[in-house]
Amino acid sequence: DGGITQSPKYLFRKEGQNVTLSCEQNLNHDAMYWYRQDPGQGLRLIYYSQIVNDFQKGDIAEGYSVSREKKESFPLTVTSAQKNPTAFYLCASSVPTWGNQPQHFGDGTRLSIL
Amino acid sequence: QKEVEQDPGPLSVPEGAIVSLNCTYSNSAFQYFMWYRQYSRKGPELLMYTYSSGNKEDGRFTAQVDKSSKYISLFIRDSQPSDSATYLCAMSGPNFGNEKLTFGTGTRLTIIP
Repeated sequence: DGGITQSPKYLFRKEGQNVTLSCEQNLNHDAMYWYRQDPGQGLRLIYYSQIVNDFQKGDIAEGYSVSREKKESFPLTVTSAQKNPTAFYLCASSVPTWGNQPQHFGDGTRLSIL
Repeated sequence: QKEVEQDPGPLSVPEGAIVSLNCTYSNSAFQYFMWYRQYSRKGPELLMYTYSSGNKEDGRFTAQVDKSSKYISLFIRDSQPSDSATYLCAMSGPNFGNEKLTFGTGTRLTIIP
């Protein structure tokens, strides 16, 4: 079955630690996205990539970094500079005919502070 | 004021009832409107999308846009317990492929058997 796989489902971060969230898709989609979901707030765009080896900052990129070395993979690193990382992180993908907006989502990674 | 306002609920209705979920927005440039369904501890899934004003129907779901009132609705007919989820609205301006989506906060819906 085609889809988006996010791992791990739950992740705990210690003070001063960088952590990396995995996102893999086998839909052959060109565009991939990272969103953050907090209670009482709409989804907020962190980073997006429309093509391999290229990505752009979203609305809340500070304290995060990404890479897009392969079409199927778009990992997100939450750095120690992100002071409030506790949230539900969602990866999404889409095809260009869908206007490069998030079409399919993974099931998320919940990140908490230890 | 947020660009997109959505009542968080929770909203509880009996099985078989018609459900009305709504979003209001302030940006008159919004032209594309989407509804996503999100089950607990899962990612959102795209339910429906509409362009500009009017209605769009897909099975038990009807999406309605009233641009003059800056108001969009999702109606669910013959609601089922499996419809229990959080429903997110999202919208974008006319340059759909190059503008980010603005999401509502979601309405949590429970269908009571």
